[in-house]
Amino acid sequence: EVQLVESGGGLVQPGGSLRLSCAASGFAFSDHWMHWVRQAPGKGLEWVANIKQDGSEKYYVDSVKGRFTISRDNAKDSLFLQMNSLRGEDTAVYFCARENIDYGEFVDSWGQGTQVTVSS
Amino acid sequence: SYELTQPLSVSVALGQTARITCGGNNIGNKNVHWYQQKPGQAPVLVIYRDSNRPSGIPERFSGSNSGNTATLTITRAQAGDEADYYCQVWDSSTWVFGGGTKLTVL
Repeated sequence: EVQLVESGGGLVQPGGSLRLSCAASGFAFSDHWMHWVRQAPGKGLEWVANIKQDGSEKYYVDSVKGRFTISRDNAKDSLFLQMNSLRGEDTAVYFCARENIDYGEFVDSWGQGTQVTVSS
Repeated sequence: SYELTQPLSVSVALGQTARITCGGNNIGNKNVHWYQQKPGQAPVLVIYRDSNRPSGIPERFSGSNSGNTATLTITRAQAGDEADYYCQVWDSSTWVFGGGTKLTVL
């Protein structure tokens, strides 16, 4: 069974940092592009970042460029999101997501999410 | 950047057909994917590449895409279909989600 389990969320002050982790199991993690998607309270889904299987390509939504860094450790089947210079508008549930291996372009498995709250 | 437009809400009578649209410039030239999200839960893929259903998704869910509009159609709507629905496309190495549509089953 595919499992994606996020951790690392919490309450942080504006300007602070947080590192999210996603532990993957039940599939060949190193074969998939992986993504972070977030959802602000009462709002829709927003794609945040993605990373290629070997980590050689990374892409970000404009609003987090220069502040967030996505990375992965294939030896430990883990995905990370380092978030620096956090702002109130970064408050959201952050989902770890697996890209479909056959066609790409969409998520076929999601984690349950971890809450990030940026507030003083 | 590419934008996707969805109606904020759609209502459907129990047992009737609901249609949720997703508008975008020449969206017919892109592959569109649809997710269902119920309160407090992670999203679930219900349609991929315009009109394909993942295993486990009822045949009542279907999709189409042409011109500037993609459509998710839910026939014989059930109370359990009440949820938020999001369309999504891939554009220039990034992903774009629509703003979401709340489906209410009356």
